[in-house]
Amino acid sequence: NAGVTQTPKFQVLKTGQSMTLQCAQDMNHNSMYWYRQDPGMGLRLIYYSASEGTTDKGEVPNGYNVSRLNKREFSLRLESAAPSQTSVYFCASVTGEYNSPLHFGNGTRLTVT
Amino acid sequence: GEDVEQSLFLSVREGDSSVINCTYTDSSSTYLYWYKQEPGAGLQLLTYIFSNMDMKQDQRLTVLLNKKDKHLSLRIADTQTGDSAIYFCAESMGNFNKFYFGSGTKLNVKP
Repeated sequence: NAGVTQTPKFQVLKTGQSMTLQCAQDMNHNSMYWYRQDPGMGLRLIYYSASEGTTDKGEVPNGYNVSRLNKREFSLRLESAAPSQTSVYFCASVTGEYNSPLHFGNGTRLTVT
Repeated sequence: GEDVEQSLFLSVREGDSSVINCTYTDSSSTYLYWYKQEPGAGLQLLTYIFSNMDMKQDQRLTVLLNKKDKHLSLRIADTQTGDSAIYFCAESMGNFNKFYFGSGTKLNVKP
């Protein structure tokens, strides 16, 4: 059982380049999330998808777009990367049942030069 | 409110107990969670407590909840070097599946 799988694990981009971070879960979870983790700031929610076909902004959505491709997959796109987007990005999912915990992927470490 | 506060660092000696503290502001929180993040890895759920409980024990882990003070703590008994990690406190807001995380406490266990 793979759980939440993120690709790639590492990425280096130049300012202005674009890329898509992929996330897939095999637990039949309804809700999926993208967080970024920066030193001393914990996890900040970028976007989430409460169910297939819906997406909503979190705390820090600027500079990002998302697609809930199907129930399994939720991608995060950086259209024009900036050094401020250097971070570790985590995808997470949850069943959607009352107060079930989040399950996390292992993260994508992104550096923008 | 969604403010979840934690101290950033804790250092203990192997064999001692560790206590990691967390405060939160939203009294409507229904579940509170502790996650562990080892270097280079994602967050793994350690334990959680429902807001109508005061305490939960799971092997070496004890979670204490003081609802009046909105204070949550995680005690690790007989701390081992393998417990060195970042520990995150998180709260959830009922069935909307919104989760709010603290900044994480880095636990350093000295041999």
